[in-house]
Amino acid sequence: GQSLEQPSEVTAVEGAIVQINCTYQTSGFYGLSWYQQHDGGAPTFLSYNGLDGLEETGRFSSFLSRSDSYGYLLLQELQMKDSASYFCAVTTSGTYKYIFGTGTRLKVLA
Amino acid sequence: DVKVTQSSRYLVKRTGEKVFLECVQDMDHENMFWYRQDPGLGLRLIYFSYDVKMKEKGDIPEGYSVSREKKERFSLILESASTNQTSMYLCASSEGGYTFGSGTRLTVV
Repeated sequence: GQSLEQPSEVTAVEGAIVQINCTYQTSGFYGLSWYQQHDGGAPTFLSYNGLDGLEETGRFSSFLSRSDSYGYLLLQELQMKDSASYFCAVTTSGTYKYIFGTGTRLKVLA
Repeated sequence: DVKVTQSSRYLVKRTGEKVFLECVQDMDHENMFWYRQDPGLGLRLIYFSYDVKMKEKGDIPEGYSVSREKKERFSLILESASTNQTSMYLCASSEGGYTFGSGTRLTVV
């Protein structure tokens, strides 16, 4: 089967840096994505890693190590509006469907 | 921007009713998906479609069916609603990354 593991909750203060880890077990792994979801809202796409290494998009970066079946989302200069749930998701070769992790709830404190 | 529209934000239905959840996308995407989201369980794939009249089961298809008669519309059908189908239902459209609709919170009483 396929599974993803990520912490259920992370707390950090405004201005800090936080890392949300994701480990996965899947056959035919193709890529790892991250989605953000605010309470009451729909998930929105943040980033995608198909190759090993770091992808940077403004304050957010995402990392992938295919050999370790591991990735993370790095959020810098945290703001209150970053309080949300963050989901990692894997896609497998030959398909556009994603398998999602159970989500990490990030609380940013003033 | 891709827009994915789900017809209802909130629905309350009775046990045993047949329920239709509608989803429409406006970017000519071939791929569409239905997920349900429950606390502690994340998003679980119910059904998906790669083209008109084409459908494939996801991880939890039991009690559901789908219809894709037109490219822009993907409908989720609960044949006989049960209380364990009370959930948030999310539709997504994709040619790579997903664009989600705003969700339908369904309560079955």
